[in-house]
Amino acid sequence: SAVISQKPSRDICQRGTSLTIQCQVDSQVTMMFWYRQQPGQSLTLIATANQGSEATYESGFVIDKFPISRPNLTFSTLTVSNMSPEDSSIYLCSVSRSGEQFFGPGTRLTVL
Amino acid sequence: QQQVKQSPQSLIVQKGGISIINCAYENTAFDYFPWYQQFPGKGPALLIAIRPDVSEKKEGRFTISFNKSAKQFSLHIMDSQPGDSATYFCAASMNSGGYQKVTFGTGTKLQVIP
Repeated sequence: SAVISQKPSRDICQRGTSLTIQCQVDSQVTMMFWYRQQPGQSLTLIATANQGSEATYESGFVIDKFPISRPNLTFSTLTVSNMSPEDSSIYLCSVSRSGEQFFGPGTRLTVL
Repeated sequence: QQQVKQSPQSLIVQKGGISIINCAYENTAFDYFPWYQQFPGKGPALLIAIRPDVSEKKEGRFTISFNKSAKQFSLHIMDSQPGDSATYFCAASMNSGGYQKVTFGTGTKLQVIP
């Protein structure tokens, strides 16, 4: 398995501001993933982050809106930029290990 | 395009009953089918998974049935308990650029009543 922590666990932000979410894994992993889960909805992959290279974004998500850093094999950040109420969601960090995908507890973001 | 369809959206089952959640997929390139359980305020946790060369997998009270020709799979929870009340997501994954890319179903909110 994998132990994944995220900070902050929740936040309330004002429109137009930015929030950076941190993800820490208990041991080294090659790939880290960021998902969005809108209220009562399924999980949508935002991007895949590989250490040492630029993140790969899914259709509908762009780097200017969701910049990602991956400075080492156990840590990643996702920034939600220029937030609007439509960005209110749970943001989940995930890693793949031995073919299985494991999730962090999520960051619940509310944008006013 | 929703590649993994899940039903029902919500389910209420009496304690001790059987909970059944169904999923269907379209892309035959999918080669791994996990189920996740999510409690409020928590991230999804892997519950059980199956590969398409197996028709059934059982772990305790949880069983996956898989029908490759119909491109359907289902989760059965036997002797359902109030502690099983959660949202369940089926998923399908395939190798994409060296990693398993996962597509999730829409989720089923299960409530087990005493």
